Amino acid sequence: AQSVTQLGSHVSVSEGALVLLRCNYSSSVPPYLFWYVQYPNQGLQLLLKYTTGATLVKGINGFEAEFKKSETSFHLTKPSAHMSDAAEYFCAGSSQGAQKLVFGQGTRLTINP
Amino acid sequence: EPEVTQTPSHQVTQMGQEVILRCVPISNHLYFYWYRQILGQKVEFLVSFYNNEISEKSEIFDDQFSVERPDGSNFTLKIRSTKLEDSAMYFCASSEADRTLYGYTFGSGTRLTVV
Repeated sequence: AQSVTQLGSHVSVSEGALVLLRCNYSSSVPPYLFWYVQYPNQGLQLLLKYTTGATLVKGINGFEAEFKKSETSFHLTKPSAHMSDAAEYFCAGSSQGAQKLVFGQGTRLTINP
Repeated sequence: EPEVTQTPSHQVTQMGQEVILRCVPISNHLYFYWYRQILGQKVEFLVSFYNNEISEKSEIFDDQFSVERPDGSNFTLKIRSTKLEDSAMYFCASSEADRTLYGYTFGSGTRLTVV
């Protein structure tokens, strides 16, 4: 069965600092993995996804994530945080061929000036 | 960019009342979904819908819940007799194909408060 765990419900970084949001998955088969972002009063927006191929995936707004099978991880990073990055971030996964997504509990990212 | 539209953004209802949450998926999408997020908890899958029938549903989606595509544009979630524990943010989503490979487009959600 697929499950997704995000370490840290709240992460706070300074503007210009590295952003690292952690996500681990458990799955008996290679998963598809996603990061979504939710800004206040908005829907869930797809940041990036891993399906097959290159394990380093680049997304919108300067974010990227690396699929590491040996660590069952899909951590989200951004080299330099902007104030506009403040939002809730969700990691999600699915099995190949599945319709539904399994979400982590979300991480609220705060950017300090 | 095409959007999934949900109405209302916030609904308050009394316990035992019926509520209908409405969604307008992206026009060329064929697969439709409802998810919910109880405050402080994970986003949870409720149901997927394709070709005018439910293709998958979770344990949460019991007889109190139903979905419908009453016309060519709307996709609704009905809760027949609301309970306090139904209070949550409900997200509608749609996709071109049935696989999460292509990614969903989510709406901005309806916050349902049952009092």
